Amino acid sequence: AQSVTQLGSHVSVSEGALVLLRCNYSSSVPPYLFWYVQYPNQGLQLLLKYTSAATLVKGINGFEAEFKKSETSFHLTKPSAHMSDAAEYFCAVSDSVGNEKLTFGTGTRLTIIP
Amino acid sequence: GAVVSQHPSWVICKSGTSVKIECRSLDFQATTMFWYRQFPKQSLMLMATSNEGSKATYEQGVEKDKFLINHASLTLSTLTVTSAHPEDSSFYICSAPTASDYTFGSGTRLTVV
Repeated sequence: AQSVTQLGSHVSVSEGALVLLRCNYSSSVPPYLFWYVQYPNQGLQLLLKYTSAATLVKGINGFEAEFKKSETSFHLTKPSAHMSDAAEYFCAVSDSVGNEKLTFGTGTRLTIIP
Repeated sequence: GAVVSQHPSWVICKSGTSVKIECRSLDFQATTMFWYRQFPKQSLMLMATSNEGSKATYEQGVEKDKFLINHASLTLSTLTVTSAHPEDSSFYICSAPTASDYTFGSGTRLTVV
């Protein structure tokens, strides 16, 4: 069975500071990994995804994540936080992309301090 | 890109009534639709998987007679919450897999009073 663990349900950073949101996965097969952002009362928007190509994945809005198999991690980073980054972030894993379901982490609420 | 249109975005209903939520794939054919439920400040929990033309597959603990899922065409999947109760109040989101990703509806906030 697959699972993801997001360390830290709440993360606060100052505007302009580094954002680091942690995600560790467990999978019996090579995983497909995703980061999504959710604003209040809205659906999920894809930030980036890892699908066994480059281990450093660049996404939208300046976010990136690095797949580290040895650490079973897929942490999300952004060099400089912006007020508009305040939202809920979900890491998710799937066996493949097609008809396989996504398994989500518990989410991390990011707060930006002015 | 692929878009899933979900309606209504919010609904308030009386206890004991039924509510239907629709998800339409606008520019692609969705043979599969995943239905998630999200309680406040919690993650998304998969309720069921629907496949066009066949019965939905429900996750353990989800009442199939209460949450009726229909996927009658390649562009429409519906979730009907029957005999709704206040504990069914939640945020419901549908999602369809595409060639390389998943596309999500905008969600439905259901409040049962």
